[in-house]
Amino acid sequence: EVQLVESGGGLVQPGGSLRLSCAASGFTFETYSMNWVRQAPGKGLEWISYISSSKVSIYYADSVKGRFTISRDNPKNSLFLHMNSLRVEDTALYYCVRAEWFYDTSYPDFWGQGTLVTVSS
Amino acid sequence: QSVLTQPPSVSEAPHQRVTISCSGSSSNIENNGVNWYQQLPGKAPKLLIYYDDLRPSGVSDRFSGSKSGTSASLAISGLQSEDEADYYCATWDDKLSGFVFGPGTTVTVL
Repeated sequence: EVQLVESGGGLVQPGGSLRLSCAASGFTFETYSMNWVRQAPGKGLEWISYISSSKVSIYYADSVKGRFTISRDNPKNSLFLHMNSLRVEDTALYYCVRAEWFYDTSYPDFWGQGTLVTVSS
Repeated sequence: QSVLTQPPSVSEAPHQRVTISCSGSSSNIENNGVNWYQQLPGKAPKLLIYYDDLRPSGVSDRFSGSKSGTSASLAISGLQSEDEADYYCATWDDKLSGFVFGPGTTVTVL
């Protein structure tokens, strides 16, 4: 059974830092690209970052570029999101999402349950 | 503000059919596969359709996707109360070099 379990969320002050983790199981993690997607309270989904299986390709949404860093540890089946210079508008539920491939197209397919990040003074 | 456009809400009676539209541009929908996600209240999103019109294993055939040019659609036939949820379209955007989601459409079963 595929499982993605996020952790590391919590309350942090504006300007602070946080590191999110995602533990993957039930599939061959090292062969899958991964994403982080967030959802502010009562709002829609916002993709924020992608990392390929080999870490060669990494992309960020403009809203987090320069502040967030995505990384992964394939032997430990883990995905990370390092978040710096946090802002109130970064408050959201952060989802770890596996990416599947179909021909030349990658798409998010399986989602974890999310970890809540609250940025407030 | 999303580069994809969806109606905020649609509603229909049980057993009827609803269609949700998703409008984009040549940098996203027209040149990349469109995916649809269902988010039930308080739950994580679930993939319903990928690559425009393909259903993952286990997804009901009451859900179908289509695409033409810069627009895509999700149809739900035989509407049931359990279909009440938020539905999001999503695709890659070549200009933004990132994945984009539509703003979401809330489906209400009357």
